[in-house]
Amino acid sequence: EVQLVESGGGLVQPGGSLRLSCAASGFTLSSFSMNWVRQAPGKGLEWVSYISSGSTIFYADSVRGRFTISRDNDKNLLYLQMNSLRAEDSAVYYCARPPPGAAFEMDVWGQGTTVTVSS
Amino acid sequence: SYVLTQPPSVSAAPGKTATITCAGNNIGSKSVHWYQQQPGQAPVAVIYYDSDRPSGVPERFSGSNSGNTATLTISRVEAGDEADYYCQVWDTSSDHVVFGGGTRLSVL
Repeated sequence: EVQLVESGGGLVQPGGSLRLSCAASGFTLSSFSMNWVRQAPGKGLEWVSYISSGSTIFYADSVRGRFTISRDNDKNLLYLQMNSLRAEDSAVYYCARPPPGAAFEMDVWGQGTTVTVSS
Repeated sequence: SYVLTQPPSVSAAPGKTATITCAGNNIGSKSVHWYQQQPGQAPVAVIYYDSDRPSGVPERFSGSNSGNTATLTISRVEAGDEADYYCQVWDTSSDHVVFGGGTRLSVL
């Protein structure tokens, strides 16, 4: 079964750091581009970052310079390193995979991990 | 940056047709994807590439895209269709994925 499982969320103080992980199973992560998408409480979906199978990377303006997306293909893991966190980064963070051969649409989603930035 | 505008809410009676719009500058030149999100759950794709239904999505869901407006149409609306719906594109000029603000469909 194709599955994505996020972890690493939690409560962090403003200015702090967290690293989110997304464990892929049922498929080979190296063959797919991946996205991180977040959703603040009661708000809509917001794209965060993209990494291609060849490691081309894009970021939303709101996180560029603070967040870093990466992947460990040997471990079938996707990461999102989040530094200099702000209250407005509080959200459920989803990793999402496109259909085979695609890039920017989302087919498989994880269940999400919650990040709360608060003092 | 590219902006997608959706109505905050749409309502339809069971058995009727719901239409959700997604407005963007020359959106007809882009590929539009649509997602359904039930409360407390991850989104699920209901339309890819303007009008393609993923496997398992009922034929009641259809999409179109032309000019400055993309449209998601849900025919014969059911209570289970009550959810938030989001449109999404890839903006090549900014190298950004862009989501619309979302539309809550209420089934009366």
